[in-house]
Amino acid sequence: GAVVSQHPSWVICKSGTSVKIECRSLDFQATTMFWYRQFPKQSLMLMATSNEGSKATYEQGVEKDKFLINHASLTLSTLTVTSAHPEDSSFYICSARGDKGDTEAFFGQGTRLTVV
Amino acid sequence: GQNIDQPTEMTATEGAIVQINCTYQTSGFNGLFWYQQHAGEAPTFLSYNVLDGLEEKGRFSSFLSRSKGYSYLLLKELQMKDSASYLCAVIDSNYQLIWGAGTKLIIKP
Repeated sequence: GAVVSQHPSWVICKSGTSVKIECRSLDFQATTMFWYRQFPKQSLMLMATSNEGSKATYEQGVEKDKFLINHASLTLSTLTVTSAHPEDSSFYICSARGDKGDTEAFFGQGTRLTVV
Repeated sequence: GQNIDQPTEMTATEGAIVQINCTYQTSGFNGLFWYQQHAGEAPTFLSYNVLDGLEEKGRFSSFLSRSKGYSYLLLKELQMKDSASYLCAVIDSNYQLIWGAGTKLIIKP
């Protein structure tokens, strides 16, 4: 299957700082990228969907000014958690898909964010 | 609304067989996935069904009935490493992935 690389795997930051998470598709062009967060023992929660070159579509309840998503190229999307708070501590996972008709979405390795 | 139901938790014995069910009600259907997720890791792809019937892949098989909005994942010859959460996900008419809450599978010796 295709490879999606997510970086960093884990990060610890202080409250009030910003953290950027990168998601790269290594061997295919990702038309669409999805950002999820997952709390312990819970399912994936879709935060936003981004299409290359356009603004991300955020799910209800997700603050777009706090979770900045940039999908400037077909191989890279970034999620920036701004002014992080301890309650933002979570597991963030990206996935990427080629064309709309593609079946599988390929996942990055996930990023464990801890805000202290 | 869109809804995917699967049991929260199941327990099985090493070497046995377990079936994890998934029922869905979504706006349209373009396929159903099963993913395995170990704690602290991203999901990994197990299977994809878009037509009715059984797809077999080694120890894992997945079944789909579109008319019933039903799928199951069958795991044979269970191993301790199969202890994980198993996520059912459906692609709806807008090609969005709708996720179930996952089934935590506990394997006992």
